[in-house]
Amino acid sequence: DIQMTQSPSSLSASVGDRVTISCRASQSLTNFLNWYQEKPGKAPKILIYAASSLQSGVPSRFSGSGSGTDFTLTINSLQPEDFATYYCQQTYSIPYTFGQGTKLEIK
Amino acid sequence: EVQLVQSGAEVKKPGESLRISCKASGYTFTNYWISWVRQMPGKGLEWMGRIDPSDSYTNYSPSFRGHVSISVDKSFTTAYLQWSSLEASDTAIYFCARQFCLSPNCRPSWSDPWGQGTLVTVSS
Repeated sequence: DIQMTQSPSSLSASVGDRVTISCRASQSLTNFLNWYQEKPGKAPKILIYAASSLQSGVPSRFSGSGSGTDFTLTINSLQPEDFATYYCQQTYSIPYTFGQGTKLEIK
Repeated sequence: EVQLVQSGAEVKKPGESLRISCKASGYTFTNYWISWVRQMPGKGLEWMGRIDPSDSYTNYSPSFRGHVSISVDKSFTTAYLQWSSLEASDTAIYFCARQFCLSPNCRPSWSDPWGQGTLVTVSS
């Protein structure tokens, strides 16, 4: 199985900050890496697919980059609604695997 | 509107069987795989497996193979997740999701949309 390691596990930031979340895979994914946002009591929501493609309807302050084994989710100018948990997921090979999640909290 | 609507919360005893459902609408059901994802209380997301609704071909994570079964009924555009003998450790929220893609070989793919989740509680 491909192991996905996210860092940090938790992060405190303020409205208006720029934050980055990293995701490292145990083997190359080319660009088969997705990012999801999950809020309490809600289903996860796709933000970024194929490493860097912004899902329709997702604010442009979200961006993704990377290829191979190292990927980054960046959120520019944090908004109150962005405080949530973020997961990366590889869909390069079965079983698809998720990172352990990064909880973004208000400072 | 593309939607996945899951069945309601369940409370079961250890050893009992259960089938939960995921009703798809707003798109051609047989064009995209359906995945199931587990979220144990206070924990992260775990991919369980997927099914191709066109022919019911399945892939399972080794962590779940043999303990759950994924199926579909094309005529009802519904996917199912089934247990024959529940354990307390199966207590979790279970999500279904469409594996969407843009390329003909459906690689890469991503989960969109997701169902609202089904809470399964297993307790004696």
